[in-house]
Amino acid sequence: GQQLNQSPQSMFIQEGEDVSMNCTSSSIFNTWLWYKQEPGEGPVLLIALYKAGELTSNGRLTAQFGITRKDSFLNISASIPSDVGIYFCAGHSGAGSYQLTFGKGTKLSVIP
Amino acid sequence: ETGVTQSPTHLIKTRGQQVTLRCSSQSGHNTVSWYQQALGQGPQFIFQYYREEENGRGNFPPRFSGLQFPNYSSELNVNALELDDSALYLCASRRGPDSYEQYFGPGTRLTVT
Repeated sequence: GQQLNQSPQSMFIQEGEDVSMNCTSSSIFNTWLWYKQEPGEGPVLLIALYKAGELTSNGRLTAQFGITRKDSFLNISASIPSDVGIYFCAGHSGAGSYQLTFGKGTKLSVIP
Repeated sequence: ETGVTQSPTHLIKTRGQQVTLRCSSQSGHNTVSWYQQALGQGPQFIFQYYREEENGRGNFPPRFSGLQFPNYSSELNVNALELDDSALYLCASRRGPDSYEQYFGPGTRLTVT
């Protein structure tokens, strides 16, 4: 089945630093989404990407849909303590029931 | 606009029992999906409901079943609970089956002992 590999698994950064994380797939996806999940909560949609090469921003967050359609990247600029959480990438293959396939997440810790 | 709500928040069941989890979709959303999230993992797709019918299913056995009601709310039923069913169960809704953006509820934490 389809799998998404996220890296890094976890990261510790100083407040104010920029963050980069990525997600790769063994197969093509037509849509990429990035979610953030905090303890005891469901995932919250951050950014949705629909076209290969697309670059989309949401405040300090910027995500890109890779040209090969097999990867996506999320950058967070000038991190703040409330950025702490687990960031998941998710993809739609466009076939079948529009289910989302999720990665295992990148756990972000921000040191004040 | 009301977001996705789920009940109960937490549940403890014994192996072999049955459980029903409930979800109310976000207003304006007619398609509901259920996901299972084990500890330390990403959510795994269970199934999707649209127009009160299941129209997509992940790699889960038949003892996982569901319903969708005319108001688009949904239930997830799990029979013959196993220890490995312990997880966070997430409901997600969207505007229609052709919409890719799914919005999640807070989840129900199920513990099977």
